[in-house]
Amino acid sequence: EPEVTQTPSHQVTQMGQEVILRCVPISNHLYFYWYRQILGQKVEFLVSFYNNEISEKSEIFDDQFSVERPDGSNFTLKIRSTKLEDSAMYFCASSAQFQETQYFGPGTRLLVL
Amino acid sequence: AQSVTQPDIHITVSEGASLELRCNYSYGATPYLFWYVQSPGQGLQLLLKYFSGDTLVQGIKGFEAEFKRSQSSFNLRKPSVHWSDAAEYFCAVVGDSGGYQKVTFGTGTKLQVIP
Repeated sequence: EPEVTQTPSHQVTQMGQEVILRCVPISNHLYFYWYRQILGQKVEFLVSFYNNEISEKSEIFDDQFSVERPDGSNFTLKIRSTKLEDSAMYFCASSAQFQETQYFGPGTRLLVL
Repeated sequence: AQSVTQPDIHITVSEGASLELRCNYSYGATPYLFWYVQSPGQGLQLLLKYFSGDTLVQGIKGFEAEFKRSQSSFNLRKPSVHWSDAAEYFCAVVGDSGGYQKVTFGTGTKLQVIP
């Protein structure tokens, strides 16, 4: 069964450093998403991406965040200058069509020191 | 704006007992509803979903959920819980916003299964 994959599974970085989280969505999916889950809190929507552009973003997704689909398979989330409060589990998801089920990856646990 | 409420933060059941996890949603139109499960250190796995049609939906691992529009609820049930069901369960709703979608999650219910 096809699945969403994410790398790395864990990332530790220093405050102020840039990080790139990588995702490989399910191959025939067209819609891509990032969510995050701060420890002990609920999963929160960050951004959705379709047709090579951001379609929706939350208030969390400020100028330090960016997303990109650099090739036909990868979907990345970049955090330009990490802050302590960026420490969280980041989930990538994809869906085949609008308003269809989103399938989630296993997540990348980011720790900012 | 869409929202999801899971009133139970933590539930403990005995192995073999029945389970019901509560979920209430707020959404203006007919919602698309989901239950996801997250085992410790793992990602989110889809258990089941409701888009339309039969209000009782079957999912994986023996779970089912019933959509009740009059109560704005989508409770998750399992007749006999197994120790491996211990995990955190998230109810979620999808609504269209500007023509696209985002999933809004509840705060989760952590299930503990005791022998």
